[in-house]
Order: sequence, then C-alpha cells, then structure tokens
Amino acid sequence: TQLLEQSPQFLSIQEGENLTVYCNSSSVFSSLQWYRQEPGEGPVLLVTVVTGGEVKKLKRLTFQFGDARKDSSLHITAAQPGDTGLYLCAPIQGAQKLVFGQGTRLTINP
Amino acid sequence: NAGVMQNPRHLVRRRGQEARLRCSPMKGHSHVYWYRQLPEEGLKFMVYLQKENIIDESGMPKERFSAEFPKEGPSILRIQQVVRGDSAAYFCASSPRSTTGELFFGEGSRLTVL
Repeated sequence: TQLLEQSPQFLSIQEGENLTVYCNSSSVFSSLQWYRQEPGEGPVLLVTVVTGGEVKKLKRLTFQFGDARKDSSLHITAAQPGDTGLYLCAPIQGAQKLVFGQGTRLTINP
Repeated sequence: NAGVMQNPRHLVRRRGQEARLRCSPMKGHSHVYWYRQLPEEGLKFMVYLQKENIIDESGMPKERFSAEFPKEGPSILRIQQVVRGDSAAYFCASSPRSTTGELFFGEGSRLTVL
C-alpha cells in the first residue's frame, strides 16, 4: 500500500517570504501532479512532473521531482496572499484513480 | 465550453433522509470521479465511473452510498439514510480519458446533515 505524506500540514507565513512544501512516498511514481485548491472551490492542476530530477517553473512556483521519482517539492518565492490555499500532490502509478495526499494548507498573511 | 457543473452547491438534510448530488462533466469527458473532503482535510477518492459502468468503487462506503453515470444525463452520487458523519464537501471531477492527464473539478456540493 502506497504511503503518501505531505509536509508541513499547515504553514502560515508573511507576504514576501519564501517557502517549500514536500510530498513524499514509499513508492515510485510514473509521474506526479500538484493541484491548488482555494477556499470554497475545487482543486486546479498546477503542474505535472514526469521525469526523475525534473524541475518545472510556473512564475514564482518551482516544482521538483526527485531523482528516484518517490518525492516532490514545491517552492514558492516571495509569497503573496493570492497563494493562499490547499496544495495537494497526487502521484500517478498507472492506476486509473488519482489518490491525493492530505495536503499542505498554506496561509500568506499580508 | 462549460466546466464541470455540480448541483446543488449546498444541501441540508436531516438524519435519515436521502441526499442526491449531481455532476455534469465537461463536454467530451466520459470519465467521472467523486471525492469527499472533510473540513480541514484532503480529498478522499470515492468512485470512478465511465458511462454506464463503475470502474473503481474502492473508496465508497459499503452501505448507504451508491453512484451511477447513465448513458444520458449527469452522474449521481446518492447517500441514503444520511448521518451526521456524512457532512462534507463532495467534489466531482472529469477527464477525457483515464488518469494520466488533468482532472477538471467542479466547485463541489456541500452537504450538511442536521
């Protein structure tokens, strides 16, 4: 059984600070997706990482897929209040359903 | 192209009543997924359906919960004899194919059981 852990579970920082959140597992993934869910809404896909060691940038967000394809990180530079939300990772292992981690609940204070 | 439409957005039921949640996937999408989210928690997979078929219901409680995706019309998540513990946000997602690409989520249906 795949064990998926996201950390930290909660994070509250000031606007302008940098932060990193993590997604770790005991299993190897073929690829992994990151979603962001804003309060009162459904999750929205941010990125899909496919290759071990891959780094993808989306404006101030940098996503990295571990070399062994068992973990991933999301780094946000100069966080803004609009970054507030629940960040969910979802590994893809060929199963037909997408299983999400517990998420990191991020709050950026103005 | 309209997104995934869920209704009702908010539903209040008393214990013992039935709740029916509807999901219309994006146009051209034949794969539908239902997830449940408790307050301050992540999304828990419930069921994956294609038209007229349940593909994976490993996340569905064994009793009182059922789902369908008929040939015509929306997907329905049905909860019979609701209990307070069923209070949650229920999200539907759709995709044009099985999971290797993006899931498109609706805005959710929030069920409150009194």
